[in-house]
Amino acid sequence: QVQLQESGPGLVKPSLTLSLTCSVSGGSISSSGFFWSWVRQHPGKGLEWIGYISYDGDPYYNPSLRSRVTISSDTSKNQFSLKLTSVTAADTAVYYCARVNYGSDNNMFDFWGRGTLVTVSS
Amino acid sequence: DIQMTQSPSSLSASVGDRVTITCRASQTITKFLSWYQQRPGKAPKLLIYVASNLQSGVPSRFSGSGSGTDFTLTISSLQPEDFATYYCQQSYITPWTFGQGTKVEVK
Repeated sequence: QVQLQESGPGLVKPSLTLSLTCSVSGGSISSSGFFWSWVRQHPGKGLEWIGYISYDGDPYYNPSLRSRVTISSDTSKNQFSLKLTSVTAADTAVYYCARVNYGSDNNMFDFWGRGTLVTVSS
Repeated sequence: DIQMTQSPSSLSASVGDRVTITCRASQTITKFLSWYQQRPGKAPKLLIYVASNLQSGVPSRFSGSGSGTDFTLTISSLQPEDFATYYCQQSYITPWTFGQGTKVEVK
């Protein structure tokens, strides 16, 4: 059973960089057929896809956040990470990491972390 | 971006009721449609993929249908643990997008 766990600061000051790491167990992030993604949820709101990194290290970002987002991976630690620069209060959200089961007929988020609340405040 | 519109935004139902939630895409997404359940304070859980395939371990009272732009999630007999918010999500074209959610509440 694949398990994902987010970690990182719960409080970030405005204009600084939000950094989160997702640790994966029960499966390798280098396995073909799977991408590794970040999704966020503003308080009381819906879900927003941030981007993913493929099993071979290629990232892809939501254009709405592309100028501020970097997703990277560390296969030696079986982890992938999110960096979001120049944060504002609008970036306050629960951040989830998730596995994307990538296929020719669907790409679904089949395993999720528990999520971590990041608050942007001075 | 493809806009995903769910209806209704919320509904009240009783245990045992048949519940239907619809999701409409702003352009065709063939069958690149998934449904998720989110209970309060929890991560989303995959229920349905490729519009109508039941994820392993999900009860058979959940079913999905549709293709193109119009999709449906049905719960055949609502159980107490099904009171939650449900989201549809398209993965046909990036950026992948979610519907705004449908909250199923106790009547």
